[in-house]
Amino acid sequence: EVQLVESGGGLIQPGGSLRLSCAASGFTVSSNYMSWVRQAPGKGLEWVSVIYSGGSTYYADSVKGRFTISRDNSKNTLYLQMNSLRAEDTAVYYCARRKSTRDAFDIWGQGTMVTVSS
Amino acid sequence: QSVLTQPPSVSGAPGQRVTISCTGSSSNIGAGYDVHWYQQLPGTAPKLLIYGNSNRPSGVPDRFSGSKSGTSASLAITGLQAEDEADYYCQSYDSSLSEGVFGGGTKLTVL
Repeated sequence: EVQLVESGGGLIQPGGSLRLSCAASGFTVSSNYMSWVRQAPGKGLEWVSVIYSGGSTYYADSVKGRFTISRDNSKNTLYLQMNSLRAEDTAVYYCARRKSTRDAFDIWGQGTMVTVSS
Repeated sequence: QSVLTQPPSVSGAPGQRVTISCTGSSSNIGAGYDVHWYQQLPGTAPKLLIYGNSNRPSGVPDRFSGSKSGTSASLAITGLQAEDEADYYCQSYDSSLSEGVFGGGTKLTVL
């Protein structure tokens, strides 16, 4: 079965760090464009970051310099390292698969909640 | 402010037809990039509903259809059912941002 399972969310103080994981099954992470998309409470979807099949990485301006996307091909897992967290980073974080930047996000994980609060 | 504009809410009675619009610009929908639609049921992750403007993934009922014209796209739902009550998002590629962009979402209420 093709699926994505996120983990690693939780409650963290402002300025803290957290690493999210997204384990894939049924397909190969490194052969796809893998993204993180977040959704603040009661708000819409916001693209956060992408790692291309070739390894290039890109970020939304709101997280550039603070978040790092990576993958472990041996574990078929996607990661999002989040540093210098702010209250406005509070959201459900989804990992999602695309074939290219112009394609649809066809597979989504169930999401993991990140709450940044003192 | 989302790059793609959707109405915040729409509603309809069971059995009726509703449409949700998605308005973009010359750097996304108007440039010819495909529009995709997602359905998000309460408390769940988004699910791909329409891809490539008008294509349905396997398992999506043909009550759902998509279209695109100029700088806008639309999602139509016919034979409205209670289980269609959800948030709907459009998404496309934006050449000025070099990434995918989402609409702000539309909440569908089945009366």
